[in-house]
Amino acid sequence: AQRVTQPEKLLSVFKGAPVELKCNYSYSGSPELFWYVQYSRQRLQLLLRHISRESIKGFTADLNKGETSFHLKKPFAQEEDSAMYYCALSPHSSNTGKLIFGQGTTLQVKP
Amino acid sequence: EAQVTQNPRYLITVTGKKLTVTCSQNMNHEYMSWYRQDPGLGLRQIYYSMNVEVTDKGDVPEGYKVSRKEKRNFPLILESPSPNQTSLYFCASLMRGANVLTFGAGSRLTVL
Repeated sequence: AQRVTQPEKLLSVFKGAPVELKCNYSYSGSPELFWYVQYSRQRLQLLLRHISRESIKGFTADLNKGETSFHLKKPFAQEEDSAMYYCALSPHSSNTGKLIFGQGTTLQVKP
Repeated sequence: EAQVTQNPRYLITVTGKKLTVTCSQNMNHEYMSWYRQDPGLGLRQIYYSMNVEVTDKGDVPEGYKVSRKEKRNFPLILESPSPNQTSLYFCASLMRGANVLTFGAGSRLTVL
């Protein structure tokens, strides 16, 4: 079954501390993985996707096919990073736009 | 501005009173979808549409209907709302082949 698991509901860190939001997936093929973010009172928006291999707002995520993981990392958290983060999977060849989302992790960065 | 617009943003209703949440996009996207967001469950897909007059069930379609008569609009219809449909609803769209969703601002629905 296709599934995305984010084991932490809430992750609370102090400003300047490293952050790692965990994401594991279950999919038999070659999926495309995404991180979406929802800041307070804002729309859900794309943060990054694994095929881009880029760093957005200091965040990076590497697809580890062996561990079926796509953890989101940032070396030094900022207060403005506080938000809800969703990991999502798109079946590689679906072309349907279907995304399977994880349960979401709330990141709280304390001053 | 390219965007997805949902209305109403907030609604409190009673069990059994039919309601419609509208969704409109101005980006000429072929694909549109509805999700509901519930604590601990994340985002779950209700229905999606690949193009005009083409709709299909997502993961949690029970109690909902949709239609896609025009490319820009994709309304979500609750014929007889029940309290378990109290949720935050998101409409989203994307261009075929792009694989990145553009979301609306969300509609918070409470069914008493």
